[in-house]
Amino acid sequence: AQSVTQPDIHITVSEGASLELRCNYSYGATPYLFWYVQSPGQGLQLLLKYFSGDTLVQGIKGFEAEFKRSQSSFNLRKPSVHWSDAAEYFCAVGAGGNKLVFGAGTILRVKS
Amino acid sequence: GAVVSQHPSWVICKSGTSVKIECRSLDFQATTMFWYRQFPKQSLMLMATSNEGSKATYEQGVEKDKFLINHASLTLSTLTVTSAHPEDSSFYICSARDRWLAGTDTQYFGPGTRLTVL
Repeated sequence: AQSVTQPDIHITVSEGASLELRCNYSYGATPYLFWYVQSPGQGLQLLLKYFSGDTLVQGIKGFEAEFKRSQSSFNLRKPSVHWSDAAEYFCAVGAGGNKLVFGAGTILRVKS
Repeated sequence: GAVVSQHPSWVICKSGTSVKIECRSLDFQATTMFWYRQFPKQSLMLMATSNEGSKATYEQGVEKDKFLINHASLTLSTLTVTSAHPEDSSFYICSARDRWLAGTDTQYFGPGTRLTVL
């Protein structure tokens, strides 16, 4: 069965510092991969997605993610974090049959 | 583009009453919509998959008679929590899949509905 692991429950970074959120997946075929962001009390906003082609994908708000098949990873990065990036981030894999399987989420805190 | 709305954004009801939550895709047609439940500080739990014009498919452990789903058009799905009890209090989020992106699993999420059952 498909699964997604986000090993970090919480991450704290200083404003202006770089960020990397980890995501590992388990899926038999080439996956569709997604990163979503959720602010408190809100729904999820799609940051970026990978289907095929270039393994480095650019998203909104200055985020990017790199698909590494050999490591079964799809880590999210941002070169300089802003205070408004504080939120919870979810990695998800398209599991076929329309469904998405989500990781447990990583809460990002930004300190000034 | 790809905006999904939910109504209401929050609702408080008495135990035993029924509550209906609407999910609308505003600028695209959604052949498939999804209903999730999210508990505090937890990830999303898929409750059911709703296909336009057909019966919803419920995940294991979800009571279909309690959580009634209707997807009568390409832009509207509704979730009705029947005879709600305090344990049904939760954050309910819907998502919609653009019919023209059907093969990519891309889902666009609504802002969620906070249900509190007294």
